[in-house]
Amino acid sequence: TQLLEQSPQFLSIQEGENLTVYCNSSSVFSSLQWYRQEPGEGPVLLVTVVTGGEVKKLKRLTFQFGDARKDSSLHITAAQTGDTGLYLCAGSQGGSYIPTFGRGTSLIVHP
Amino acid sequence: SAVISQKPSRDICQRGTSLTIQCQVDSQVTMMFWYRQQPGQSLTLIATANQGSEATYESGFVIDKFPISRPNLTFSTLTVSNMSPEDSSIYLCSVEEAGRSGNTEAFFGQGTRLTVV
Repeated sequence: TQLLEQSPQFLSIQEGENLTVYCNSSSVFSSLQWYRQEPGEGPVLLVTVVTGGEVKKLKRLTFQFGDARKDSSLHITAAQTGDTGLYLCAGSQGGSYIPTFGRGTSLIVHP
Repeated sequence: SAVISQKPSRDICQRGTSLTIQCQVDSQVTMMFWYRQQPGQSLTLIATANQGSEATYESGFVIDKFPISRPNLTFSTLTVSNMSPEDSSIYLCSVEEAGRSGNTEAFFGQGTRLTVV
């Protein structure tokens, strides 16, 4: 059973377009992280959200944590080729130090 | 955040052989984690490596197949034993640190891409 469902699984867009990636669960998480993984590299932490309804911005990336802390979204404005990679969400639940990872969204941005 | 060095970065191995992956952290950490990332799949935790005690394996993973060493607080190895093509995957070493809000954040090595032929 996949506790964290990410959608879409694949996304291929042109440079300059906007996109949104979703991470959904029926479980409540105490915090949720977003990672980006480039080919041949390990996942790199982008952001952690901890408060329901929280919005964080990282340049052209906007992260939102759902009010009920069961879902999150990542919005990229004016995508660039450098945004290409696998985007993973991971949720942590109280009492467990091991995060649960979603399957990831593979993003390709074409020039 | 911790800096994690993992090697080899990739390898092509014959079936039936074993490969040992090394993970070095630039700071002392209590627990180190080993993950497997199969193509199109999520990260799956193999085991938690604690210094001074045996590793704790997740369901579906056994010590005979994935022996782990943890000789000190900055180093760990994962061995993939008696490999078959089904073991072809990316193997990732990870440590966790407390974030600014006290939540747990995972940091990863660059991964080892293993191909078994």
